[in-house]
Amino acid sequence: QTVVTQEPSLTVSPGGTVTLTCASSTGAVTSGFYPSWFQQKPGQPPRTMIYLTSRKHSWTPARFSGSLLGGKAALTLSGVQPEDEADYYCLLSVGGAWVFGGGTKLAVL
Amino acid sequence: VQLVQSGAEVKKPGASVKVSCKASGYTFTTYYIHFVRQAPGQGLEWLGIVIPSDGSTNYPQKFQGRVTLTRDTSTSTVYMELSSLRSDDTAVYYCARELRGGYWDYWGQGTLVTVSS
Repeated sequence: QTVVTQEPSLTVSPGGTVTLTCASSTGAVTSGFYPSWFQQKPGQPPRTMIYLTSRKHSWTPARFSGSLLGGKAALTLSGVQPEDEADYYCLLSVGGAWVFGGGTKLAVL
Repeated sequence: VQLVQSGAEVKKPGASVKVSCKASGYTFTTYYIHFVRQAPGQGLEWLGIVIPSDGSTNYPQKFQGRVTLTRDTSTSTVYMELSSLRSDDTAVYYCARELRGGYWDYWGQGTLVTVSS
């Protein structure tokens, strides 16, 4: 069973930059894993922020960017805003199934 | 684009539950539909996918035999049935849309399923 690992929690100051990562127990994450990133605030459904590693939706703020970094998928927030405080989940396609990471709780303090 | 899910359910252990996800604002057969759940205070868990154009499905091993996804193209609705409910099936169940090849976008509002005796 594939395990997808994210940092449990991160803290960033307003205006700062933070990178969240997403690793697969199967080995290096590539674009073929179709990495996606979702933001979830309390009491709300997830919202898709990044898909196919780095592509953005019309609602994705420009400060969000996705990439591959050191064998992992990565989500970077540059110029963090207070409203970015949320849980972030990555999602990978592995062998025909989809596997979520455990999520990263991002605090903006 | 909207994915509108059915209302909250309360079920007893051993029963089944059926959650609906009605799609609108796009061509129903163009996009795949996934179901994902989230137990209280926990992360997201993938339950399976249905391809509306032909009804084919795929489920993770953990849920094979217990989760069934079906679709009704006449009403643009996908149904998720979960059987043999246990207390740890208590969760919010979401549907979400994917264009083939990892293009995830819209999510439903979620349906709370509570399993309690």
